[in-house]
Amino acid sequence: QVQLVQSGSELKKPGASVKVSCKASGYTFTSYAMNWVRQAPGQGLEWMGWINTNTGNPTYAQGFTGRFVFSLDTSVSTAYLQISSLKAEDTAVYYCARPSSGMVPANFDYWGQGTLVTVSS
Amino acid sequence: SYVLTQPPSVSVAPGQTARITCGGNNIGSKSVHWYQQKPGQAPVLVVYDDSDRPSGIPERFSGSNSGNTATLTISRVEAGDEADYYCQVWDSSSDPYVVFGGGTKLTVL
Repeated sequence: QVQLVQSGSELKKPGASVKVSCKASGYTFTSYAMNWVRQAPGQGLEWMGWINTNTGNPTYAQGFTGRFVFSLDTSVSTAYLQISSLKAEDTAVYYCARPSSGMVPANFDYWGQGTLVTVSS
Repeated sequence: SYVLTQPPSVSVAPGQTARITCGGNNIGSKSVHWYQQKPGQAPVLVVYDDSDRPSGIPERFSGSNSGNTATLTISRVEAGDEADYYCQVWDSSSDPYVVFGGGTKLTVL
């Protein structure tokens, strides 16, 4: 069965970096894109962008350029989200999500369990 | 960027029908998807492409989309349906490509 398993919660100081992993199983990793979604405490869902798992080409939504980097290790079917120069407002749960239709981020039928990143001094 | 508007909250008694709306400019021309999110859990896709249900989702969940409003309808509401619900569209001509509505808290009275 399809599973997306994310790394555990992180507590970081402002200015530090964090790398969140999302390990996929149960399907061919390079046949589906990987998307990232942010949810700040008590807030709604916000799409951050996606990475083509075939080419490694990332696409970032507005507001998520510069400090956010999507990457892959296809040898272990894992996608990564790295955030640098962390700010308090980066405190959120970050989800990886697989689209139902290959590389098109139309809708998302599988989600990771979420990774809470807390930024606090 | 494209904007989706949902009511912050909807309340319904058990056994009744809940309707959650999602407004957007000419949303009827787009495919709308709906997610259910319970506290501390990841979202779950409950309706896709306006009105289709993924396997395992009860028939009580249905959707429609026309004009400037899409609607998620939950029939015979149960206590376990209490959750946040989000609509979502994809539009490759806008930035961001993927837009979520602000979410609606469904309370079962």
